[in-house]
Formats: sequence, C-alpha cells, structure tokens
Amino acid sequence: EPEVTQTPSHQVTQMGQEVILRCVPISNHLYFYWYRQILGQKVEFLVSFYNNEISEKSEIFDDQFSVERPDGSNFTLKIRSTKLEDSAMYFCASSVKLLNNEQYFGPGTRLTVT
Amino acid sequence: AQSVSQHNHHVILSEAASLELGCNYSYGGTVNLFWYVQYPGQHLQLLLKYFSGDPLVKGIKGFEAEFIKSKFSFNLRKPSVQWSDTAEYFCAVIRGSTLGRLYFGRGTQLTVWP
Repeated sequence: EPEVTQTPSHQVTQMGQEVILRCVPISNHLYFYWYRQILGQKVEFLVSFYNNEISEKSEIFDDQFSVERPDGSNFTLKIRSTKLEDSAMYFCASSVKLLNNEQYFGPGTRLTVT
Repeated sequence: AQSVSQHNHHVILSEAASLELGCNYSYGGTVNLFWYVQYPGQHLQLLLKYFSGDPLVKGIKGFEAEFIKSKFSFNLRKPSVQWSDTAEYFCAVIRGSTLGRLYFGRGTQLTVWP
C-alpha cells in the first residue's frame, strides 16, 4: 500500500538555525498538507498546498515558514530562524481531493530546538 | 471558540469491554468527519470517515461511529475491545467552508488490559 514518507525522523537544531523537513506524498495525490503537534497539545494545521501554490494557511504559518514542491515527488517545509517553541512533531499528509476524501499521514518528524 | 472536543483524555478498559469515545464539534454547515488512530510508534491511520448518507459508519477492526447532526457529535464505538486496540484516538473534522483543513480533537489515549 502506498505511504507518505518523511525525513528525517528526528532533527535536532539550535535556535536561530534553518531546518528543512522533507515529505514524499503518495504519487497520485494532488493536495499536500503540513500539521504539527506540540507535546501534550492538539494536532494543528499549518498549511495546505495545491498546484504549486498555498491553498490555505493557519495563523501559525507566519513568515518564518515556507513550503515548496521542488520536484515531482518531494514536498518540503522550511522553518527559518527556529525558535524553542517550534519544537514539535511535524506531520505531512496528502490527499486526492480536498473534500469527501481522506488525508494520508506520514510518520512525522520530531523537531527539537535547543 | 469553534473546536473539536473529545471528552475523555485517558480511557482504561479490560479486554472484551465495550468502548465509546465521545467527539463533539462546533462547526455549522457541511462537515466531513474522521476518526484517526495512532498505535504506539506508528503514524496516524484512518479508522473511519463520514461524508454523507447513512449516519452509522463502519470502519476497520470492528470500529463504528454514529453521526448525530442535531448533537454535533460523532462518537466512536466498539462492542468488544482487544489489547491490540491500545492506541491514541483522534477525532477530526473538515469544514465544508475550508480548503481541506483538518481540525483535530485533543485525542484520547485508550489502554486495554489483557
């Protein structure tokens, strides 16, 4: 069964550094998403992406964040100048459609900012 | 604030006990409803979903959920749990007015004792 994959599984970085989290969505999916879960809190939506553009972003997704689909398979989340409060599990997801369709999640990248 | 509420933070059951996990949401209009499960060390997986039609939906591993529109609820049930059902369960909602953004509940940790 096709899966969403994410790399790395764990990333440790120092405050102020830039990180890039990578995702490979399921190949025939058209919509891509990033979510995050801070320890002990809800899974929160960050951004959705379709046709090489951001479709929707949450209030969390400020200028510090950016997303890109640099080639036909990868979908990346870049966090510029990381802060301590960016420490979280970051999940990538993909789907065929926006509505009436499920999102398939990757295993997550645990980001630790020290 | 509009949200998805899961009433139980941690549920502990013995094998063969019946399970009901509550989920309420506060969004009007069209919704897509989901239950996701996260087994220890694994990624989020879809248990079941409701888009329209029969409000009683059946998912994998013997789980079912009932959508009660008047109560804004989508409770998850299983008549007889197994040790292997130990996991965290997340209720999630897509609002028809948004572009595929999933709103998650806080999650319920289910522990089943053999």
